[in-house]
Amino acid sequence: QKEVEQNSGPLSVPEGAIASLNCTYSDRGSQSFFWYRQYSGKSPELIMFIYSNGDKEDGRFTAQLNKASQYVSLLIRDSQPSDSATYLCAVRVSGYNKLIFGAGTRLAVHP
Amino acid sequence: EAGVAQSPRYKIIEKRQSVAFWCNPISGHATLYWYQQILGQGPKLLIQFQNNGVVDDSQLPKDRFSAERLKGVDSTLKIQPAKLEDSAVYLCASSPRGGPGETQYFGPGTRLLVL
Repeated sequence: QKEVEQNSGPLSVPEGAIASLNCTYSDRGSQSFFWYRQYSGKSPELIMFIYSNGDKEDGRFTAQLNKASQYVSLLIRDSQPSDSATYLCAVRVSGYNKLIFGAGTRLAVHP
Repeated sequence: EAGVAQSPRYKIIEKRQSVAFWCNPISGHATLYWYQQILGQGPKLLIQFQNNGVVDDSQLPKDRFSAERLKGVDSTLKIQPAKLEDSAVYLCASSPRGGPGETQYFGPGTRLLVL
């Protein structure tokens, strides 16, 4: 059973701080990793994807991938109250064209 | 460009009744996905279509769930008979070709409550 694990939270950070969201996965052959944001009552929307070890930056968001440790993270700099949402980590299963989602981490950014 | 469309947005039924959901993907997208998202969990893939063929339905409870995409465009997902544990949001997503690096675009979902 291929799994994606996330801390359910809530992760509470003050406005302007860095929020760090973590995800581990069990399938060592996975190649593609995705972060989706889901506001309450809404559908998931893609924030970032990453394929290679290291960091990938897009505006206030940085995705970090460490395949040896089977670990992917999302950093949100200068967190805003509008970033308050559930963040879903998704892993594309090796050999298949499907995504396995974690249960998500709920982030709360307070003023 | 119009997004993924789903209907209905909400549905309340009693257990043992049947229900159907409809999805229209982004124009030109060959790959269509149906996910089930139970409250507090991440989306779980139920079935994936490539054009009108099934690519993966390993997690579809085939004794009660069925799905079709007859003309390779829109799709319907049916539950018959429904159980209490089927209460969830049913999300439809699409992507251009289903390739490894592609983004999946989600529709607004259908919230199902089974009483």
